[in-house]
Amino acid sequence: EAQVTQNPRYLITVTGKKLTVTCSQNMNHEYMSWYRQDPGLGLRQIYYSMNVEVTDKGDVPEGYKVSRKEKRNFPLILESPSPNQTSLYFCASSGTSGSSSYNEQFFGPGTRLTVL
Amino acid sequence: AQSVSQHNHHVILSEAASLELGCNYSYGGTVNLFWYVQYPGQHLQLLLKYFSGDPLVKGIKGFEAEFIKSKFSFNLRKPSVQWSDTAEYFCAVEGFQKLVFGTGTRLLVSP
Repeated sequence: EAQVTQNPRYLITVTGKKLTVTCSQNMNHEYMSWYRQDPGLGLRQIYYSMNVEVTDKGDVPEGYKVSRKEKRNFPLILESPSPNQTSLYFCASSGTSGSSSYNEQFFGPGTRLTVL
Repeated sequence: AQSVSQHNHHVILSEAASLELGCNYSYGGTVNLFWYVQYPGQHLQLLLKYFSGDPLVKGIKGFEAEFIKSKFSFNLRKPSVQWSDTAEYFCAVEGFQKLVFGTGTRLLVSP
């Protein structure tokens, strides 16, 4: 089954304790992205990657890191989490086709993070 | 950079009522347009998309949207909503592989 998986689905942590949220897709997609969803703000892009070893900042990258060592994985790293990073996080992936720069983005199930 | 504006933050309708959710965007180049739906407790799913061609796009579950280039709009419509359409709806605009979402509209359909 084609899907995007995220782990963990729920996480409660404390300020300053490094954490990683994993994201994996089995569709051989080039493009992957991380979003955070906050009430009244919709989804905001944190980081994206157009292919292996190619990553770039989205709209709200502060406090986050990513890596793209393999095509299927795109982990989100919070080196020193703070309470304002409490949010719902979604990973997404998509392929590219021909001259079109974009196809449908497939979303993971989400990770609800609480930073105390 | 592109931006997206969804005018209605909360909409409450009775079953069988017609729905129209507004979406306006700003972007200087060619855009791809999307509507996503998020049912309670679930992840986002694509409702419909517009890349080119016929500006009236039909999606899943009876939804449709019309791209009006002169108005920079991509409004979502459904002639008769059901209780199961209760969800949050997001308009999104893509330009050069950057996808920007609107703030969402929460739709509550009462039986």
